[in-house]
Amino acid sequence: NAGVMQNPRHLVRRRGQEARLRCSPMKGHSHVYWYRQLPEEGLKFMVYLQKENIIDESGMPKERFSAEFPKEGPSILRIQQVVRGDSAAYFCASSPGGSQPQHFGDGTRLSIL
Amino acid sequence: QQQVKQSPQSLIVQKGGISIINCAYENTAFDYFPWYQQFPGKGPALLIAIRPDVSEKKEGRFTISFNKSAKQFSLHIMDSQPGDSATYFCAASQLTGGGNKLTFGTGTQLKVEL
Repeated sequence: NAGVMQNPRHLVRRRGQEARLRCSPMKGHSHVYWYRQLPEEGLKFMVYLQKENIIDESGMPKERFSAEFPKEGPSILRIQQVVRGDSAAYFCASSPGGSQPQHFGDGTRLSIL
Repeated sequence: QQQVKQSPQSLIVQKGGISIINCAYENTAFDYFPWYQQFPGKGPALLIAIRPDVSEKKEGRFTISFNKSAKQFSLHIMDSQPGDSATYFCAASQLTGGGNKLTFGTGTQLKVEL
């Protein structure tokens, strides 16, 4: 019974490049959440998606960041033209919906050179 | 304000002792209060959660106490063990649009010493 799978686990990018982070939810889960964790801080909500729909993107920076959860395949968090301040751990969580608990993946650690 | 304030930032407890972590929230619309445990290099794992219609919930060595009027809730870890050494996050959410986005506290680094 696989949990939430995130890849890559570590990603290194140079300033100005694009970063693509992938998240495969648990089987049977159709709701995906993305969170960002800066060093020594708690997790901050970024975006909430259901299949093919963005439900709440109130935590997403207005520029350079986008997310999708297509009908087939994993959810993608995309960061264009990365800057040093984007260095963080990005976590994905999934749930069956409603008030059911969210289950987290082990994150992608993004480092910007 | 959507903040959740967590204290202490770090905590050292002797093996067998009680670890207590406190959180306070501002948004009275929050209706779900989970606690997560995180080990280095891993994602947060749900420990225990409570809803505001209950004042206390216990699962094994872990207990959540909830004070709705004070807008505070706390995690008690009884008989703390070295394996409990981790970072603990409280969180809160409001069920909106069928979703459940979490607002996290800043975390407490717990170290349990022998």
